[in-house]
Formats: sequence, structure tokens, C-alpha cells
Amino acid sequence: ETGVTQSPTHLIKTRGQQVTLRCSSQSGHNTVSWYQQALGQGPQFIFQYYREEENGRGNFPPRFSGLQFPNYSSELNVNALELDDSALYLCASRAGANTEAFFGQGTRLTVV
Amino acid sequence: AQSVTQLDSQVPVFEEAPVELRCNYSSSVSVYLFWYVQYPNQGLQLLLKYLSGSTLVKGINGFEAEFNKSQTSFHLRKPSVHISDTAEYFCAVNSGAGSYQLTFGKGTKLSVIP
Repeated sequence: ETGVTQSPTHLIKTRGQQVTLRCSSQSGHNTVSWYQQALGQGPQFIFQYYREEENGRGNFPPRFSGLQFPNYSSELNVNALELDDSALYLCASRAGANTEAFFGQGTRLTVV
Repeated sequence: AQSVTQLDSQVPVFEEAPVELRCNYSSSVSVYLFWYVQYPNQGLQLLLKYLSGSTLVKGINGFEAEFNKSQTSFHLRKPSVHISDTAEYFCAVNSGAGSYQLTFGKGTKLSVIP
């Protein structure tokens, strides 16, 4: 059984650019959530995908968008990057609502 | 709306001493509660969870937590800490059936002193 894997591990982007982060779910998991963890803070929920449809969203602007593919892997896209988007982005997969969420190692995004 | 408060941002403790990391939550509905640990430059690992049943929950690495509904608390305890327990600990709440969003506290950094 493979765990949740994220790529890349680190990324540096310039303000105004666009970025795509990737996540491979744990085997058998059909639900993927994305979280943003700013330095010194707890993770904050961005959105969740279930069977390729977004079915929940936190308090993040529309320039944060995502996709889930038929194999349940997922992408997080952020347009028009701002300095405050610098954070650790965590992907979590689960087998269903209210089951354990398994987290990946995260992608550290730095916006300069 | 739900929220989580971790009362201590940093907790230093000597090796082999007991430790308690405090967590209080607010929610208008019944909740599921979790503690996660994060080692430097790592993702989150689940320590333990409360879904229902016994209010005393045992987790990995010798940790346990007690759910107290009247005090809306879910404090994490370990009777004897080890150097390897040095990490950041996050309390999280997931409000009830059909929910999907985890709301996290700001974290408590546990530093174990040799």
C-alpha cells in the first residue's frame, strides 16, 4: 500500500505567476483534500474533491482551483501568486467522510 | 462554525517527565476529534482519534487523550516523554456525520530536554 505522495517538495515562484502542485492519493482512497499551512500556523482547509467533483471549499479565493482525475490523483492550481501564498501545501486522502485522513509530506511554496 | 484552541504554543519538558498538551474546541454539533504530530519538514501523522464510545482514547507512541464533552476539551497526555517526541502537535475537529473539513488549532511545539 503506497502512501500519499506530493510533488514537487519545494518550489520558488515570482509574484503574479501561476503554480500547479500535484498529489497522488493513497491506494483505494477516493477523496482528496488540500490544506495551506502558513509558517507557525495550523493547516487551513482549501477544498476537497470526491470522485472528480469539488464538494467542499474553505475561505479561499477563486484563484485557488483544483482537479481530481479518474485515478483519484489531484492537482492544486494557484493563479496570480501573492507573497502571502508562501506556505506548506498539504494534500490528504481518505476513504470516505469521517474516516482517517492520511497526509502527504507537503510542498513548500515560496513566492518572491 | 467550529474552532479549536490550543492553549500553549510551546511546551518544554524534561525527558521521562509527563506532559499534557491542552486542546479546547467549540462546535454547535457533535464532533470527531483528532491529534496529529508533525516532525520538521514532514507532513502530518495521526496520533489518535475520538469518534464515539470510550472517552479515553489511546494512540500511537504511548500517547492518550480524554474527551470531555462538558468542558469541550480533548487534552493529549503522555506519562513519560522521550527525545524523539520533540515535534509540533495539532488538535483538529471534524464536525459530525458527512463532514469532511478538518479544522486545526495553531499547534503546540513540544520540546523534550535531555
